[in-house]
Amino acid sequence: GIQVEQSPPDLILQEGANSTLRCNFSDSVNNLQWFHQNPWGQLINLFYIPSGTKQNGRLSATTVATERYSLLYISSSQTTDSGVYFCAVAPFSGGYNKLIFGAGTRLAVHP
Amino acid sequence: KAGVTQTPRYLIKTRGQQVTLSCSPISGHRSVSWYQQTPGQGLQFLFEYFSETQRNKGNFPGRFSGRQFSNSRSEMNVSTLELGDSALYLCASSLNRGPAETQYFGPGTRLLVL
Repeated sequence: GIQVEQSPPDLILQEGANSTLRCNFSDSVNNLQWFHQNPWGQLINLFYIPSGTKQNGRLSATTVATERYSLLYISSSQTTDSGVYFCAVAPFSGGYNKLIFGAGTRLAVHP
Repeated sequence: KAGVTQTPRYLIKTRGQQVTLSCSPISGHRSVSWYQQTPGQGLQFLFEYFSETQRNKGNFPGRFSGRQFSNSRSEMNVSTLELGDSALYLCASSLNRGPAETQYFGPGTRLLVL
């Protein structure tokens, strides 16, 4: 089945720093979402981005489908950005409404 | 519009018991998917329901089952609980069933099996 690899696994930042999270996937996908999991376990949708670039405030994401990777950019990080960031994909061959998740990037932002 | 809701939020059971978790999707959403999250295995797909029928199933034993009602609400059941079933169970809803549907997640149910 499809493999989803996220890097780095852990990231520690000072407040105000910028960061880039990467997601590599091993097969063609028709769905790619980025999520932020807060300390209470809730998965919060950040982007639906199977291809192209999107921006939402201090966050932006780019997916290059032909090269099978996606990047999540966090600028001017805040302590509230702390948590785990997941990339999840739905491969063409995997059936509908079934997301395959990466292992996540654990981000800690210190004041 | 209210988000995905899950009940109960926390649950403690003992080995051998069974448990039923409930998920109410976003109003108008017709597809419900379930996921299990553990520290060792991460987030794994359990199954998906659409129009009261299971459409997709992950690699879990038959002790894990589910159903969907005509109002799109869904329940999942785990019988003969094992210690390894301790996990965060997440439910996600989508408007429809398709290759490009965005999934929205509920807050989860934390299950502890003693």
